[in-house]
Amino acid sequence: NAGVTQTPKFQVLKTGQSMTLQCAQDMNHNSMYWYRQDPGMGLRLIYYSASEGTTDKGEVPNGYNVSRLNKREFSLRLESAAPSQTSVYFCASSDRVGQFFGPGTRLTVL
Amino acid sequence: AQSVTQLGSHVSVSEGALVLLRCNYSSSVPPYLFWYVQYPNQGLQLLLKYTSAATLVKGINGFEAEFKKSETSFHLTKPSAHMSDAAEYFCAVSDGNSGNTPLVFGKGTRLSVIA
Repeated sequence: NAGVTQTPKFQVLKTGQSMTLQCAQDMNHNSMYWYRQDPGMGLRLIYYSASEGTTDKGEVPNGYNVSRLNKREFSLRLESAAPSQTSVYFCASSDRVGQFFGPGTRLTVL
Repeated sequence: AQSVTQLGSHVSVSEGALVLLRCNYSSSVPPYLFWYVQYPNQGLQLLLKYTSAATLVKGINGFEAEFKKSETSFHLTKPSAHMSDAAEYFCAVSDGNSGNTPLVFGKGTRLSVIA
């Protein structure tokens, strides 16, 4: 039981490049989330998916798109990366107990 | 909308001393409240949660938190700090009426433990 896994762990992009962050969970959770963590800002919600086939915007969705590929997988795409998107990205899934987080992806945009 | 305020971005205690990390929330509905811990270069781990049952909630690693509606607070305590408690702690409130909805996080409190 791996919990929530994220790939890659680290990534460096140039401004304007695109990439997809992958997330998968093996806990059979319906709800999944993408957050970004910046120093002194806590975690802020980018997008979430309450169930397979549905997605909703969070607090900071601009510049991102998501895909809930199936119940297990929830990906986050940056179409044209900007330096302001330099951050640590966390994926999470939840049940009634609470949210369970992956190890994070550290992204630097130059 | 819900919001969370954590007082003190950095708290330093001596090993064996009381740990007190403060959290105040704003919510228009009975809240679900959480404390998470983040060790360096790791994801967040759930310490404990409040879901309108007992007001004193016990979590992992000897931590507990008390829900006080009159003060809109959910402070985290541990009687005796250990070196391994050094980490960043986040208070969060559920932006909905269950634990299975997005969380709104405070900005975090970094706990240092001095030998």
